[in-house]
Amino acid sequence: EVQLVESGGDRVQPGGSLRLACAVSGFPFSDYWMHWVRQDPGKGLVWVARINSDGSSTSYADSVKGRFTISRDNSENILYLQMNSLRVEDTAVYYCVRASDSWGQGTLVTVSS
Amino acid sequence: DIQMTQSPSSLSASLGDRVIISCRTSQSVTTNLHWYQQKPGKAPKLLIYRASTLPNGVPSRFSGSGSGTDFTLTISSLQPEDFATYYCHQSHSPPLTFGGGTKVEI
Repeated sequence: EVQLVESGGDRVQPGGSLRLACAVSGFPFSDYWMHWVRQDPGKGLVWVARINSDGSSTSYADSVKGRFTISRDNSENILYLQMNSLRVEDTAVYYCVRASDSWGQGTLVTVSS
Repeated sequence: DIQMTQSPSSLSASLGDRVIISCRTSQSVTTNLHWYQQKPGKAPKLLIYRASTLPNGVPSRFSGSGSGTDFTLTISSLQPEDFATYYCHQSHSPPLTFGGGTKVEI
């Protein structure tokens, strides 16, 4: 069974940092591109970043470029999102997504003073 | 960036109704267009991938069609468990984008 389990969400002050993790199982992680997608409470879905299967290529939404870094550890089957210089508008549930087909349950990030 | 226009943003329907949701992209995404269903407090669930393919386990009352810039999600006979919000999503080129969602209500 495909499983994606996010962790690391927390409440943080503006300007702070967080690192999200997504532990995966049930499929060959190193074969798949992975994404982070976020959703403001009560609002729509917004793509944040993606990484190719071996970690050599990444893409970001303009809103997070230069502040967020997506990475992966294929030996540990973990996807990461390092979030720096956090803003109030980064408040959202963050989902780990496998190649547009399988989603984790999400982890809540709240940026507030 | 590829813009997504999903319509309607909400609709009211009855059990057994046929429901059609549209998604238009600002440039061709070929068939790199997917549909998701989301219920409150839950993660989105893949309904249709690559415009028209049903994943295993998705009921056959769901179908997708289209290519290029115009796509449609059809629910042939609305069931109680289908009341939810539906999103289209293009994975053709970054930044990947989502439609604004269609809330299907009773």
